[in-house]
Amino acid sequence: QKEVEQNSGPLSVPEGAIASLNCTYSDRGSQSFFWYRQYSGKSPELIMSIYSNGDKEDGRFTAQLNKASQYVSLLIRDSQPSDSATYLCAVRSGTYKYIFGTGTRLKVLA
Amino acid sequence: DGGITQSPKYLFRKEGQNVTLSCEQNLNHDAMYWYRQDPGQGLRLIYYSQIVNDFQKGDIAEGYSVSREKKESFPLTVTSAQKNPTAFYLCASTHGQGQETQYFGPGTRLLVL
Repeated sequence: QKEVEQNSGPLSVPEGAIASLNCTYSDRGSQSFFWYRQYSGKSPELIMSIYSNGDKEDGRFTAQLNKASQYVSLLIRDSQPSDSATYLCAVRSGTYKYIFGTGTRLKVLA
Repeated sequence: DGGITQSPKYLFRKEGQNVTLSCEQNLNHDAMYWYRQDPGQGLRLIYYSQIVNDFQKGDIAEGYSVSREKKESFPLTVTSAQKNPTAFYLCASTHGQGQETQYFGPGTRLLVL
């Protein structure tokens, strides 16, 4: 069974700090990785996608991928209370199969 | 505005009743998906469709059925055989031609009376 693992949290960080969210996956052949943000009662919205080893930055968000360690992370700089949400890690495994982690709940304290 | 629409936002099912959830997209995406989300759990794949008139079972297809008669539409029927249907149902789509990002509709919350 191919899996994606995330710490469920909650991860609490003070406003203005860096939040670090982590995800590991079991399918070594996975090529595409995604971070989604999901507010309570709402659908997931895409934050970042990453396909190559290394870092990818978009505004306050940085995704990091290490395929050798089967590890992908999301850093949120200057965290804001509006960043409080559940963050889902997703891995594309096969052409049409996406596997989602259970999500990490982030709380940014004002 | 391009996007995915789902209706209704809330749906109530009575015992023994079949109900159908609507999903429509105007993104010209080839592939469409249905997921179920339960509290504290990740998204679980119910069915997906790569092209019109073709669909495949996902991990939890029992008690559900789908059709794909048009590229834009992928309705999901929750049958009476699904004994625990209370969940948040999410429809998603991807371009399916090398562009892999999956986009989601707003979801339908199904509750049992």
